[in-house]
Parts: sequence; structure tokens; C-alpha cells
Amino acid sequence: EDKVVQSPLSLVVHEGDTVTLNCSYEVTNFRSLLWYKQEKKAPTFLFMLTSSGIEKKSGRLSSILDKKELFSILNITATQTGDSAVYLCAVPNDYKLSFGAGTTVTVRA
Amino acid sequence: DTAVSQTPKYLVTQMGNDKSIKCEQNLGHDTMYWYKQDSKKFLKIMFSYNNKELIINETVPNRFSPKSPDKAHLNLHINSLELGDSAVYFCASSQDTGVSYNEQFFGPGTRLTVL
Repeated sequence: EDKVVQSPLSLVVHEGDTVTLNCSYEVTNFRSLLWYKQEKKAPTFLFMLTSSGIEKKSGRLSSILDKKELFSILNITATQTGDSAVYLCAVPNDYKLSFGAGTTVTVRA
Repeated sequence: DTAVSQTPKYLVTQMGNDKSIKCEQNLGHDTMYWYKQDSKKFLKIMFSYNNKELIINETVPNRFSPKSPDKAHLNLHINSLELGDSAVYFCASSQDTGVSYNEQFFGPGTRLTVL
């Protein structure tokens, strides 16, 4: 069975700090890894990573994949209170997404 | 325009009742999903349908019966509701072929509370 493990489970930071979220995976037939942000409602898509070592960037968020060591990291720089959310990592396989348990990020003003 | 919509948003009901949740997507996607998110925020796949055909049924009790009348709709009917069914249920859709995968778009969720 596919396995996706995220760490830490939660963290609290102050505005302006940088956070690094980790996601490790064990899947058969790896094709991609996805990051989602979930605030109060539906998860919203952040990144899809398919190739090792190529950083994807969107504003203050960036992510990278290491297919040899089987992990991905999501970085958020200069955090703002609006970054407070649960960040979910997921791996698709056979018409489903296997999610990690998520990392709850709380950014204090 | 809403991409993936679900109704109702909230559902409070008694144990033993039967209820349905509806999902519609206007993205033209071929694949639709139901996920359950428990109180610990863990999202777990329940079903996936591709072109109206059931592809995944992840050891869900057969009190849960999905129905896909067409590619744009995937409804979830739950019989004999139990306390443990309380959760948020998310519908999602994507353009997946089983070989290539694209991002899944999620509906707003239905919070089901069984009393």
C-alpha cells in the first residue's frame, strides 16, 4: 500500500519566519507528488512535482522533489497570517490520491 | 462559476437514517472521486469513477453506494447511518487516465454529523 508521511504534524511560527515542511513517500509506480493547502474548506492545489531537483516556485512558496531519497519539501518564506493552514502532500496512483496526515501551520502576528 | 459543487454543505441526521450527497463538476473531467476527512483531518479515498465506471472502492462498507448518472455527476448515498460516519466528505474531479495524472479539484465539502 502507498505510504505518505509528513512532518512535522504541526508548527507555530511568527510572521516573517521561514517554514520547511517535509513529505516522504513509498509508492509503487511513482509518477508525481502534489502539494495542497487546506484552510477552512476544500484543499486547493499548490504544486505538482515530477522531476528531481527542479524547484517549483509560486510567490513565497517553493517546492522540490528528491526521487532518489523519496521525499519532497515545501518552503514558505516571509510567512504571513494568511499562510495559516493545513498543508497536504499526496501521491497519485491508480485513480486515487494517497494523502499524508498533513502539517498544520499557524502563523502568529 | 463553481468548478466542483456539492450539496448539501451541512447535514445533521439521526443514526439509522439514509441520506444522499450530490456532486457535480463543470470542468469536463472524466474522473470523479469521493474522499472522507475525519476529525484528525486525514483525507482518505473512498471511491473513484472514470467515465461513469467504478474504478476504486477502498474497503468502504456497502452502506455507502456511489452512483454516477453521467460523467459530470457522482452522488453518494449512505444507508443506516452510524456515529462513525460523521466526517467531512469531499468530492473531487480530474482529467486522469490511470497512466497520467493531473491535479484534482475539490468541492467545498459536506459536513455530516450523525447524532
